[in-house]
Amino acid sequence: GQQLNQSPQSMFIQEGEDVSMNCTSSSIFNTWLWYKQDPGEGPVLLIALYKAGELTSNGRLTAQFGITRKDSFLNISASIPSDVGIYFCAGLDWEYGNKLVFGAGTILRVKS
Amino acid sequence: EPEVTQTPSHQVTQMGQEVILRCVPISNHLYFYWYRQILGQKVEFLVSFYNNEISEKSEIFDDQFSVERPDGSNFTLKIRSTKLEDSAMYFCAIGQDSYGYTFGSGTRLTVV
Repeated sequence: GQQLNQSPQSMFIQEGEDVSMNCTSSSIFNTWLWYKQDPGEGPVLLIALYKAGELTSNGRLTAQFGITRKDSFLNISASIPSDVGIYFCAGLDWEYGNKLVFGAGTILRVKS
Repeated sequence: EPEVTQTPSHQVTQMGQEVILRCVPISNHLYFYWYRQILGQKVEFLVSFYNNEISEKSEIFDDQFSVERPDGSNFTLKIRSTKLEDSAMYFCAIGQDSYGYTFGSGTRLTVV
């Protein structure tokens, strides 16, 4: 089945630092999504990417859809304490229906 | 006000009992989904529901699971005879089209 490899598993950074995480896959996806999950809550969509090569920003967040359609990265600039949480990438491939395949998540901790 | 409300937020049930998890979207949507997340693991697809019928289901979604829209607005997930390994967070997600996924805040199911 389809799988996403997300890295790093966790990060512990200083407030103000930039953060980068990425997802790779052996198969192609048509859509990449990045979600953030706070404890006890559902995933909240941060950025959606629909075209290979697309670079999209949402405030301090920037994400790119890789040219090969097999990878994506998410950058967070100038991290703040409320950035703490779990970040998930998710991919969608229409050949496999309309279900999302999630990465294992990146746990982000910010030291102030 | 959240777009998707899930009830209950937490349910504890005895092994072998039936549970019904409910999802109430605020506005009309075409696509409905259930996902689950075992503690500390990634979010996994269970089932998608379109036009009042199941459009896709995963291997997890066996005969013990069922979904329905009993009154055209609520969307329910029923587990007929719960097992210990069914303990997880269950998320309902909605989409007006196949790109837009909004997740509810989840129901934490604990089977004892």
